[in-house]
Amino acid sequence: QVQLVESGGGVVQPGRSLRLSCAASGFTFSNYAMHWVRQAPGKGLEWVAIISYDGSNKHYADSVKGRFTISRDNSKNTVHVQTNSLRAEDTAVYYCARDRGSGRVWAAFADYWGQGTLVTISS
Amino acid sequence: EIVMTQSPASLSVSPGERATLSCRASQSVSSDLAWYQQKPGQAPRLLIYGASTRATGIPARFSGSGSGTEFTLTISSLQSEDFAVYSCQQYNNWPLTFGPGTKVDIK
Repeated sequence: QVQLVESGGGVVQPGRSLRLSCAASGFTFSNYAMHWVRQAPGKGLEWVAIISYDGSNKHYADSVKGRFTISRDNSKNTVHVQTNSLRAEDTAVYYCARDRGSGRVWAAFADYWGQGTLVTISS
Repeated sequence: EIVMTQSPASLSVSPGERATLSCRASQSVSSDLAWYQQKPGQAPRLLIYGASTRATGIPARFSGSGSGTEFTLTISSLQSEDFAVYSCQQYNNWPLTFGPGTKVDIK
């Protein structure tokens, strides 16, 4: 069965960096685009970024563009997001999710989600 | 950026009753609209995509409709496990955007 397990969250000071990772299993990882979506405490979902199946194409939310970088390692079935210049408003649970599409055609919505990793920005 | 709004913000419904949730886009998203269900402490679950296609394993009591800027999620007869937050997401334009959610709780 599809499993997505996020890691790397924690408490970090404003302005610092954090690298979040997501380990995937139960499907052919290299065939699927992957998303990061976040949810601030008590708030709604906010899409963060997507990376294509081969890593050649990426899109970002305006709120993180220039600060966050999504990447993937298909040899290790992992997707990452490097988060830099963190701000208080980046405090959230970060979810990794699999895109519903396959191969070159991404669907741009997610069918499987991990349980999330909590990032807290605090001095 | 396409702004998604949802109404009502919360809805109290008795088990067995029908619930109708609305989602509106600030510009047309065609039928590129997904609905998710989220329970406290859990990850979201895909319910509907393409505005009206149920995802794998989703019961028939969930149905979606609409196109352009106006969308509806209907739960025909609420079961105890359906009390949750429901969010819509457009995937017609980058960046992808979610609505703020509608909380459905027990009346």
